[in-house]
Amino acid sequence: TQLLEQSPQFLSIQEGENLTVYCNSSSVFSSLQWYRQEPGEGPVLLVTVVTGGEVKKLKRLTFQFGDARKDSSLHITAAQPGDTGLYLCAGVDGNAGNMLTFGGGTRLMVKP
Amino acid sequence: DAGVIQSPRHEVTEMGQEVTLRCKPISGHDYLFWYRQTMMRGLELLIYFNNNVPIDDSGMPEDRFSAKMPNASFSTLKIQPSEPRDSAVYFCASSLVPNQPQHFGDGTRLSIL
Repeated sequence: TQLLEQSPQFLSIQEGENLTVYCNSSSVFSSLQWYRQEPGEGPVLLVTVVTGGEVKKLKRLTFQFGDARKDSSLHITAAQPGDTGLYLCAGVDGNAGNMLTFGGGTRLMVKP
Repeated sequence: DAGVIQSPRHEVTEMGQEVTLRCKPISGHDYLFWYRQTMMRGLELLIYFNNNVPIDDSGMPEDRFSAKMPNASFSTLKIQPSEPRDSAVYFCASSLVPNQPQHFGDGTRLSIL
């Protein structure tokens, strides 16, 4: 099973600040998904990145897939309290039946 | 469209009791997944089904845990007997194929006293 490490594990910032969270592995993934989970709810898909070097933007969120498809980052510009939640990355392992492997998550709190 | 539906949303019971969690996947999704989430261990895959057949149950922690999927629209996760260390949030998710995004239910928060 491929492992995905996310950093930081916890992040507390003020509204308006920028932040970047990371998702790293020593193995290659065929694609990678980012989810956000709010308290009392299940994870919800934000984006899927497929191509090495790919950059996708979702309003103030920018997702990048590493050139070697082993890592990914999520950058949030001008964070808002509504961005608070648990951010999970999940890699698709083409060598294991295309199953998803979830990282441990980054718990973000944005204070007003 | 109805999403993945889990019941109950909360369950509090005493250790030793049988617990049954229920899940209705999204219609047409061939894959169903059961996860457990805790602060210490994050999101752990317990078992998944393809077309109602259990494919990989290597994540099931002990024989006290069992899961069934009698038809395409219903699955259960049973813990018997339950123990305090089973306390967690249990999620069910479904997808069309395994590498496509998974759709999660809102989870069952289980507390074993």
